[in-house]
Parts: sequence; structure tokens; C-alpha cells
Amino acid sequence: AQKITQTQPGMFVQEKEAVTLDCTYDTSDQSYGLFWYKQPSSGEMIFLIYQGSYDEQNATEGRYSLNFQKARKSANLVISASQLGDSAMYFCAMMGVHDMRFGAGTRLTVKP
Amino acid sequence: NAGVTQTPKFQVLKTGQSMTLQCAQDMNHNSMYWYRQDPGMGLRLIYYSASEGTTDKGEVPNGYNVSRLNKREFSLRLESAAPSQTSVYFCASMEVYEQYFGPGTRLTVT
Repeated sequence: AQKITQTQPGMFVQEKEAVTLDCTYDTSDQSYGLFWYKQPSSGEMIFLIYQGSYDEQNATEGRYSLNFQKARKSANLVISASQLGDSAMYFCAMMGVHDMRFGAGTRLTVKP
Repeated sequence: NAGVTQTPKFQVLKTGQSMTLQCAQDMNHNSMYWYRQDPGMGLRLIYYSASEGTTDKGEVPNGYNVSRLNKREFSLRLESAAPSQTSVYFCASMEVYEQYFGPGTRLTVT
């Protein structure tokens, strides 16, 4: 079975600094996709970034980048130049052939 | 363009009652999903539909049934609600790799 692990229940970062949120995964599928979502206190789920298992380059979307290390089975999210509006829960997720699994999430707090 | 809509937004049920959560998307996506999110946890997949006319079980399907009525609509039914089904339910649709979520339904079973 697939498994996603986010080991940081909470993280703090100073405004304008960069922060890395950790995610490791386990799967026997050869083809899979890795996602990061943001969930603000209002509750909606917002798609941030995607990385395919066969993509050789790390995905980037604006201030978000995904540090994909396939051999280590890790897919860490890097947020550059943090803003107060980045304070939220962040979920890592993996889609395999027949399943979609989410991690337990990391609560990020950006300090002014 | 409404995206993914869910009804109702809130619902309180008594143990043993039944109800259907409705979901519709206007993006012409093939794939649709139902998740539940319990407090302090990530989302768990209940059922998904890869295309109109097909449905498959996810990680936590027990106690639920689904219907993919057409390409737009994917409903989730609780036949006999239990307190363990108290949760926030999210519907989502997906094309390629971008998944769009509805606003969620907060369900309480007493």
C-alpha cells in the first residue's frame, strides 16, 4: 500500500525567509504523481505544485518548488520569500495507479 | 464558471439516518473523487470515478456508496449514518494532474 509521511507537525518561518516542508513516500508503483496542497484556516484545498515520477527536473510554480529525490523517495516543498498569507496547513499527496494518499500535514506559521 | 460545487455545506444527522451528498463540476473533467477529512488529519479517499460509468473504492469505502450520474455529477450516499462518519467531506475533479476541490460539507452524526 502507498504511504505518505510528513514528519513536521508544525513549522515556523520568519517573513521573507525560505522554508522547506518535508515529505517522504513509499509505493511499489513505477508511475506516480506527487502533489502539494495548501489548506488555509477557511478550509478550502488549494493545489500548489505537481511532480511526475518520470520528470527529471524539479517542478517550480512561482515561489513554490518541489525538491524531488526519487532514490530517497522524498518530495519536499520549498517556499521562497515567505509571506504572512502563507500561514496554513500544507499537505503532501501521492497518486498511484489506483489510489490517492495524503500525508497528515504540516502547519506553517509565518512570523512578521 | 463555478468549478466544483457541493451541497449541502452543513448537515447534522442522527445515527441510522441516510443522506446523499451532491457534487457537480463544470470543467468537463473525466475523473472525480470523494474524500473525508477528520480533525488534525489529511484527506482520505473514499471512492473515485475515473470516467462516466465507472467507480472504484478508495482507502475508506465502508459505509458509503457512490453514483456517477453523468460526467458532471458524482454523489456520495450514507445509507445508515454512524458517529464515526462525522467529518468534512470534499469532492474533487481532476484533469491531467491538477485536482480542483469543492468547498466541503461538514457532516455531524449524533
